[in-house]
Amino acid sequence: QKEVEQNSGPLSVPEGAIASLNCTYSDRGSQSFFWYRQYSGKSPELIMFIYSNGDKEDGRFTAQLNKASQYVSLLIRDSQPSDSATYLCAVVGAGGFKTIFGAGTRLFVKA
Amino acid sequence: DGGITQSPKYLFRKEGQNVTLSCEQNLNHDAMYWYRQDPGQGLRLIYYSQIVNDFQKGDIAEGYSVSREKKESFPLTVTSAQKNPTAFYLCASSPQRSYEQYFGPGTRLTVT
Repeated sequence: QKEVEQNSGPLSVPEGAIASLNCTYSDRGSQSFFWYRQYSGKSPELIMFIYSNGDKEDGRFTAQLNKASQYVSLLIRDSQPSDSATYLCAVVGAGGFKTIFGAGTRLFVKA
Repeated sequence: DGGITQSPKYLFRKEGQNVTLSCEQNLNHDAMYWYRQDPGQGLRLIYYSQIVNDFQKGDIAEGYSVSREKKESFPLTVTSAQKNPTAFYLCASSPQRSYEQYFGPGTRLTVT
């Protein structure tokens, strides 16, 4: 069974700090990696995707991928209370189409 | 306004009844998906469809059925055979040659 693992949290950071969210995956052939944000009671929304090893930055968000270690992370700089949500890591395996979601990490940003 | 709509937002049914959840998209996306989310768990794939008139079972298809007669629509029927149907159901779609998924607002189904 292919898996995506995340620390469930909650991860609590003060406003203005960097939040670091981590994810590991079991399928070594995985090619596509996504981060979704889900506010309580709402549906997930896509915030970042990354396909190649290294860093990808978009505003306050940076996704990091290390395929050798089967590890993907999301950094949120200058964290705001509005960033408080559950962050889902999602991985598409080598076969494509089926996306495996992690259970999510709950983030709290304290004002 | 382009997007994905799901209706209804909340649905209550008695055990033993079949129920159909609606999912419509006007994004011209080819692929559509149905997921189930239970508290504290990730999304689990029920069914997906890459093109009209074709769909595949996901990881937890037992007790569910779908159809894809139009590109815009991918309704999910929760049958009485589904043992624990109470959950948050999410529909998503992806553009061609992409795995990015865009979600509808979801339907909360409660079966008593």
